[in-house]
Amino acid sequence: AQRVTQPEKLLSVFKGAPVELKCNYSYSGSPELFWYVQYSRQRLQLLLRHISRESIKGFTADLNKGETSFHLKKPFAQEEDSAMYYCALSNNNAGNMLTFGGGTRLMVKP
Amino acid sequence: KAGVTQTPRYLIKTRGQQVTLSCSPISGHRSVSWYQQTPGQGLQFLFEYFSETQRNKGNFPGRFSGRQFSNSRSEMNVSTLELGDSALYLCASSPGHPGGELFFGEGSRLTVL
Repeated sequence: AQRVTQPEKLLSVFKGAPVELKCNYSYSGSPELFWYVQYSRQRLQLLLRHISRESIKGFTADLNKGETSFHLKKPFAQEEDSAMYYCALSNNNAGNMLTFGGGTRLMVKP
Repeated sequence: KAGVTQTPRYLIKTRGQQVTLSCSPISGHRSVSWYQQTPGQGLQFLFEYFSETQRNKGNFPGRFSGRQFSNSRSEMNVSTLELGDSALYLCASSPGHPGGELFFGEGSRLTVL
């Protein structure tokens, strides 16, 4: 069975500090990993996916198959980064079924 | 393009009743997925429909069912409601290829009394 774990429910940092939101997964095959974000009073939306290897809003995430991790990082947090972040895993062979982690609320203090 | 639209946005039911939720996907999207979000269990996958066929199903009892119409609109139904069915039900659409980006609606918040 596939599983996604986000160990921190809440992460609080000051503006300008580095941020790392942890995500670990368990899956026997070759997974596709995503980070979804939900800003206050907005819909859940895709932030980035490992396959695209791009930086979105200054965030990056590297898939580490050895450690089965997909941590989300940003070198300098901004107040507008405050949101709920969800790591998700997809089995490419199973259509669009996502397994979500429990989510981490990021609070960036001024 | 208009986003994913879910109706109704809020509803209150009593135990034993049944409920039907509706989802209109983004135009051109052929896949519609449903998720249940609760404070205790988080986001859990219910099922996915693609071209009117159920493509994937999560671990929910048979009281939870869905369907998709030829215009890709989808409905989900929950029969014999239980208190634990109180949740935010999210619909997401995508073009249809596996592993694609999901576009979420605002959700239907169901309260079971």
